[in-house]
Amino acid sequence: RKEVEQDPGPFNVPEGATVAFNCTYSNSASQSFFWYRQDCRKEPKLLMSVYSSGNEDGRFTAQLNRASQYISLLIRDSKLSDSATYLCVVTFNTNAGKSTFGDGTTLTVKP
Amino acid sequence: SQTIHQWPATLVQPVGSPLSLECTVEGTSNPNLYWYRQAAGRGLQLLFYSVGIGQISSEVPQNLSASRPQDRQFILSSKKLLLSDSGFYLCAWSVSGGREQFFGPGTRLTVL
Repeated sequence: RKEVEQDPGPFNVPEGATVAFNCTYSNSASQSFFWYRQDCRKEPKLLMSVYSSGNEDGRFTAQLNRASQYISLLIRDSKLSDSATYLCVVTFNTNAGKSTFGDGTTLTVKP
Repeated sequence: SQTIHQWPATLVQPVGSPLSLECTVEGTSNPNLYWYRQAAGRGLQLLFYSVGIGQISSEVPQNLSASRPQDRQFILSSKKLLLSDSGFYLCAWSVSGGREQFFGPGTRLTVL
């Protein structure tokens, strides 16, 4: 079993749709959680951190459920520019701060 | 603000040739540094990480090595490249203690 699992998709949605991505992690010692966005042939870029209380940044909402070891990302009112691969990341709060990346979920937003 | 540089952006090398990829970070001190490889259509695989000058930890046995000769410089090397070394190599930095990582633009390596 992978340490971080994501549905690879692809998710094909029309503009304006709401789409949700899920991610599960296996190591309960994981402490910090993030969502990254990666455009084709580019480096991953931090989208947002994920907290147990949930956090929102504009059209994006992230949630963490530690009991279920589950992370989610909700995108509302999808834009064409949201088309990318979304990576779920879990990190250990040690000095080394090692992170494990999911393989990503691909989103295509169509006109 | 902090910036991270990688070069070269693309590289085509023959099997058996040596490799040296360089990564430098500006605007921060004593960062954690990481090397990842991403095969086509796949996720990121952590290769090496470093918490300080001369301190290298290897995650996956392979014919690659890493060095950190200066605080903000991280180098990935190989003496003899294999076909399987092809991929997208990404350097990242973070502050210590399990915080978010920030990536350089990457080097796309093709071994022929």
